[in-house]
Amino acid sequence: GAVVSQHPSWVICKSGTSVKIECRSLDFQATTMFWYRQFPKQSLMLMATSNEGSKATYEQGVEKDKFLINHASLTLSTLTVTSAHPEDSSFYICSARDHRTTFPYEQYFGPGTRLTVT
Amino acid sequence: GEDVEQSLFLSVREGDSSVINCTYTDSSSTYLYWYKQEPGAGLQLLTYIFSNMDMKQDQRLTVLLNKKDKHLSLRIADTQTGDSAIYFCAETHNNAGNMLTFGGGTRLMVKP
Repeated sequence: GAVVSQHPSWVICKSGTSVKIECRSLDFQATTMFWYRQFPKQSLMLMATSNEGSKATYEQGVEKDKFLINHASLTLSTLTVTSAHPEDSSFYICSARDHRTTFPYEQYFGPGTRLTVT
Repeated sequence: GEDVEQSLFLSVREGDSSVINCTYTDSSSTYLYWYKQEPGAGLQLLTYIFSNMDMKQDQRLTVLLNKKDKHLSLRIADTQTGDSAIYFCAETHNNAGNMLTFGGGTRLMVKP
């Protein structure tokens, strides 16, 4: 089956530093990847849609200069949290769409990355 | 905009059936999904149903869709302790491309 990995699974960083999270589709090519944020005991909030070879589309209220997304290949998208602050601490989940599928475009989710900013 | 709502919590005894409910507002919803999230993990797609279907069954899982009332349910038969998790319903529609709208999640606790 389709597998999506994320790295790292857990990261602690100091306030003001930047953190990069990788999302990889391991056995399929993903023209589109999605980045979600999940606060404790809450649902997933879509942050941005990442299309291979083009700029990401950010949801309203998400700062594109703070959350840099790069989707340079069909199997890799990265999310960089720049100048992280404690309020950026959250669980970040990516998902990837298999480019071979048609609607409903099943999304495969990564295991998530827990970011803690101290 | 679209809105998907679920009750927050459900507790059942092992061996009983669980029914998790979801309501949505978007009448153009085309596909509705159920995802399972175990602690500290990503989402696992359990099943999905097309809006022109009333019911879908897959082993212990039964999905019922009442399109008139915009109500979706997931029934888990013979619930096991391993079914303890958060269950999210989600919807998408043709005009949304790939975008999923998620409900708030229902935490299912299965007591032995």
